[in-house]
Amino acid sequence: DQQVKQNSPSLSVQEGRISILNCDYTNSMFDYFLWYKKYPAEGPTFLISISSIKDKNEDGRFTVFLNKSAKHLSLHIVPSQPGDSAVYFCAAGGGAQKLVFGQGTRLTINP
Amino acid sequence: EAEVAQSPRYKITEKSQAVAFWCDPISGHATLYWYRQILGQGPELLVQFQDESVVDDSQLPKDRFSAERLKGVDSTLKIQPAELGDSAMYLCASSFAPNTEAFFGQGTRLTVV
Repeated sequence: DQQVKQNSPSLSVQEGRISILNCDYTNSMFDYFLWYKKYPAEGPTFLISISSIKDKNEDGRFTVFLNKSAKHLSLHIVPSQPGDSAVYFCAAGGGAQKLVFGQGTRLTINP
Repeated sequence: EAEVAQSPRYKITEKSQAVAFWCDPISGHATLYWYRQILGQGPELLVQFQDESVVDDSQLPKDRFSAERLKGVDSTLKIQPAELGDSAMYLCASSFAPNTEAFFGQGTRLTVV
């Protein structure tokens, strides 16, 4: 039972363009959502989060959008840079709901 | 900048041997997590502590895995005996409040041969 799903295993984007990573969840009790970035042989690095009372949160080049009715969140990276190439995980949790991670999407930024 | 410290970074062990991992969370973080990540998958929660108490160990294989956080600060995760299928990245994380922004350590890459 996969409560958090990232249906795209990989994504390739040209440098300078927008990268959009998607995530779907099934548990309506989740009220806190996060995105992490992971380089090989390192632990995930926290990027940005959003609580269920908001539908958008922005931090520099990173924006997370939450659509509660669709149980969908997305991460937008604008503009994409070569250093953004990594695996991105979405996670959901909050309160009594333990953090559950998606399978990850490998983002490659092409020069 | 405060970080979660983990050791060792890499560990190779023979099957049936015992292995232990150590984690020191960010100071002031009451919630500590141990996750296991298999290549190509997302981190899977093994055990979650709130201070020194276990609040979730539903996915911890208790016949061979144990975890403790005796003084509510640092924590150890032990596997005895190790099996080939235990080869994975073991990640420790901590957060100020449960199930919110969790900050991860560098992880321990375990290889069981």
